[in-house]
Amino acid sequence: SSELTQPPSVSVSPGQTARITCSGDQLGDKFVCWYQQRPGQSPVLVIHEDSKRPSGIPERFTGSNSGNTATLTISGTQAMDEADYYCQAWDSSTAWGIIFGGGTKLTVL
Amino acid sequence: QVQLQESGPGLVKPSETLSLTCTVSGDSITTFYWTWIRQTPGKGLEWIGYIYDTGKTHYNPSLKSRVTISVDTSKNQVSLKLTSVTAADTAVYYCAKESGSRGLLSIYFDPWGQGTLVTVSS
Repeated sequence: SSELTQPPSVSVSPGQTARITCSGDQLGDKFVCWYQQRPGQSPVLVIHEDSKRPSGIPERFTGSNSGNTATLTISGTQAMDEADYYCQAWDSSTAWGIIFGGGTKLTVL
Repeated sequence: QVQLQESGPGLVKPSETLSLTCTVSGDSITTFYWTWIRQTPGKGLEWIGYIYDTGKTHYNPSLKSRVTISVDTSKNQVSLKLTSVTAADTAVYYCAKESGSRGLLSIYFDPWGQGTLVTVSS
């Protein structure tokens, strides 16, 4: 299967840890990246190659990927982290290659 | 710092052709892969296709018969054409620079343009 499954929503209290999962067949064998999309804005890369942070992304954003599940973890979640988060991978065995998760709405209560 | 700016009509009639342009600043379009991605409320993010080496393309099979991506090196622009549009093509269209390494099986998109909403309606 070339689908990536994310929970539609995750809620977290300010200062707590948010975990957003992305599931797919043998996903741990692929590199996964994560994008943050605030309302009305375009997606911004926050994690690439499973766990690497681009320049300018806060250290509270971390990523992991093993087995069938990749996880984006936001430690010490802040109100500004409220956004939609999308995972993405490249399945080189398929004709289209690029696959996105359906997105997770993170709410900071 | 690379910046991308999409432009084009915000309204297209059914059965007509959607045409968008992405102007790239801060980088040469001859050097990297440039991708179009669209976002709809119903289907989320959908990869449309890419162009590299000023003319080599690869398209999403579900759109391949209707899509053309091209570049204008003199203007440092990447263009998207989608023919025979229907309401299902209503979306925000983004251009993005592909980053990572295909050799390492790592592809991601950074940065993205601000996106442009295209509505298909008569």
